[in-house]
Amino acid sequence: QLQLQESGPGLVKASETLSLTCTVSGGSVGNSNYQWAWIRQAPGKGLEWIGTVYYTGRTFYNPPLKSRVILLIDKSNNQFSLRLTSVTAADTAVYYCARKGPGYNSYYLDFWGRGTLVAVSS
Amino acid sequence: QSVLTQPPSASETPGQRVTISCSGSSSNIGTNFVNWYKQLPGTAPKLLIYSNNQRPSGVPDRISGSKSGTSASLAISGLQSEDEAEYYCAAWDDDLGGLYVFGTGTKVTVL
Repeated sequence: QLQLQESGPGLVKASETLSLTCTVSGGSVGNSNYQWAWIRQAPGKGLEWIGTVYYTGRTFYNPPLKSRVILLIDKSNNQFSLRLTSVTAADTAVYYCARKGPGYNSYYLDFWGRGTLVAVSS
Repeated sequence: QSVLTQPPSASETPGQRVTISCSGSSSNIGTNFVNWYKQLPGTAPKLLIYSNNQRPSGVPDRISGSKSGTSASLAISGLQSEDEAEYYCAAWDDDLGGLYVFGTGTKVTVL
């Protein structure tokens, strides 16, 4: 069974960079059938898609976040990562990593990590 | 940033049927597949319906999805206490170079 696990600091200072890693087990981030995504959820709010990275390193970002986000893939460690620069209090959220299901013409997230809360302090 | 609109809440008694709507536009629901996620408090979302009406393994057939034009619906029949949760629709949006958008979310309460 595929499992995803987020890891990283739970507290980041404002204006600094948030860095999270998602470790995948039971599957390979190098599998060409899938893409790997990050989603976040501010406290008491809805879900916001951050972006997706493909095994080739190709990325798709949410336009409002594009200037501050970098998604990377590490096939040797079966991980993918998120970096969000110049964070503010508005970036405080639970961050989830997930797998995009197979299929070129469809986009859905079929496996999710448990999520990790990241708070931004002033 | 949600561009998919859902009613904030829905409720029904056990055993009844509840339907949740999701309204979008030509660039998202009108062109692409709709998915639905269920989220219990303090847990990660779970895929409930993909590609408009497909159920992943393990999702009971009393849960169904449909799409018409720029709107979609999720129906839960034979409502059970375990169905009390937040539900989100989602779809790929072709605007702005492409992005995945979620609905505003609907809290389902089993009375």
